[in-house]
Amino acid sequence: DAKTTQPPSMDCAEGRAANLPCNHSTISGNEYVYWYRQIHSQGPQYIIHGLKNNETNEMASLIITEDRKSSTLILPHATLRDTAVYYCIVRVASALIFGKGTTLSVSS
Amino acid sequence: EAQVTQNPRYLITVTGKKLTVTCSQNMNHEYMSWYRQDPGLGLRQIYYSMNVEVTDKGDVPEGYKVSRKEKRNFPLILESPSPNQTSLYFCASSKDAGNMNTEAFFGQGTRLTVV
Repeated sequence: DAKTTQPPSMDCAEGRAANLPCNHSTISGNEYVYWYRQIHSQGPQYIIHGLKNNETNEMASLIITEDRKSSTLILPHATLRDTAVYYCIVRVASALIFGKGTTLSVSS
Repeated sequence: EAQVTQNPRYLITVTGKKLTVTCSQNMNHEYMSWYRQDPGLGLRQIYYSMNVEVTDKGDVPEGYKVSRKEKRNFPLILESPSPNQTSLYFCASSKDAGNMNTEAFFGQGTRLTVV
């Protein structure tokens, strides 16, 4: 399975954009990039996913580089409630393989 | 509202006493799975089911059983719980088994303590 590399932690000021990077240099052509987040010990929450093109929904934007070896999740206006662990996952099968993720801390 | 429901949310039990954690989804999803989450180890898949009567082992199946008699339910059974099964458990479901272009929905978790 393709693996991902994320920074262990990031800080962001409330109201600013949070840009969370993810490296997935061994990704294959048919593998999707998924982002989930986990707030405290709640169930992981789906954020967004994409294959090749950039994607945007009501929660976030996903920017995937042209070679697909890395991506960035953008939370355009971070709030305190966005403090969570963010997981970047390259999905090759039905199972989601979670890494350690990035702990995003949003402060006022 | 589309959701995955787990019960109970919290459970303290003694070693060897059989228990079942229930999981139900109301989205008519084919694929369901169980994960456990432990500090430093992240989320690991225990068992999964591609459809009714089809189940298979994940990465850490030892000590667990599952069944999928109906599409909506996927209970996790611990026949003889041990302290090393103390963990936070999550059930998840997604629409199509084998379809990578579909998100998974997770339950709110069951915190199990085995003493």
